Amino acid sequence: SQTIHQWPATLVQPVGSPLSLECTVEGTSNPNLYWYRQAAGRGLQLLFYSVGIGQISSEVPQNLSASRPQDRQFILSSKKLLLSDSGFYLCAYRISNYGYTFGSGTRLTVV
Amino acid sequence: DQQVKQNSPSLSVQEGRISILNCDYTNSMFDYFLWYKKYPAEGPTFLISISSIKDKNEDGRFTVFLNKSAKHLSLHIVPSQPGDSAVYFCAARGQTGANNLFFGTGTRLTVIP
Repeated sequence: SQTIHQWPATLVQPVGSPLSLECTVEGTSNPNLYWYRQAAGRGLQLLFYSVGIGQISSEVPQNLSASRPQDRQFILSSKKLLLSDSGFYLCAYRISNYGYTFGSGTRLTVV
Repeated sequence: DQQVKQNSPSLSVQEGRISILNCDYTNSMFDYFLWYKKYPAEGPTFLISISSIKDKNEDGRFTVFLNKSAKHLSLHIVPSQPGDSAVYFCAARGQTGANNLFFGTGTRLTVIP
């Protein structure tokens, strides 16, 4: 069966520190992978998506970057966190043309 | 620019009654709509969907209605159960394909026993 793992569950980081969130998928090959963020009072906003190794599309210019070093691994990074980077980050993969399966999310608080 | 809007941040309903969650969208090119349910500290899970060529889709206690002329969809849960208490997100698929789903801000449903 297909599963998606995302960690850590919660993270508190100081402003200016780096960030690395990892997401891995099992049970499927060459998945389309996505990073979403939910900021306070906002809907889920697509940040990046990837259709294959080394292929990254950015939807929103920001202080973040993404990489896909392996077929089933998707990493969200930042060199220097800002207060506005706080939020709930979700990784997802596409299960069909009609929906996604999401990971359990990471609650990031930048202080 | 929020293309999918859920104007009610919260809703409380008595157990056994009907829950109606509403969603409005602005882009007439959306061709598929989905509802996701999210419990605290978990990712959203897919609940029910509807194609833009239909006006109703039913799955057990859950029914989604689509009014294209009004750019409005709603999720009906009947009868509501305490386990339905969660945040519900409406999402719409752009015509560029499933590489972007546009999500609303969510409605927190509380079903009171």
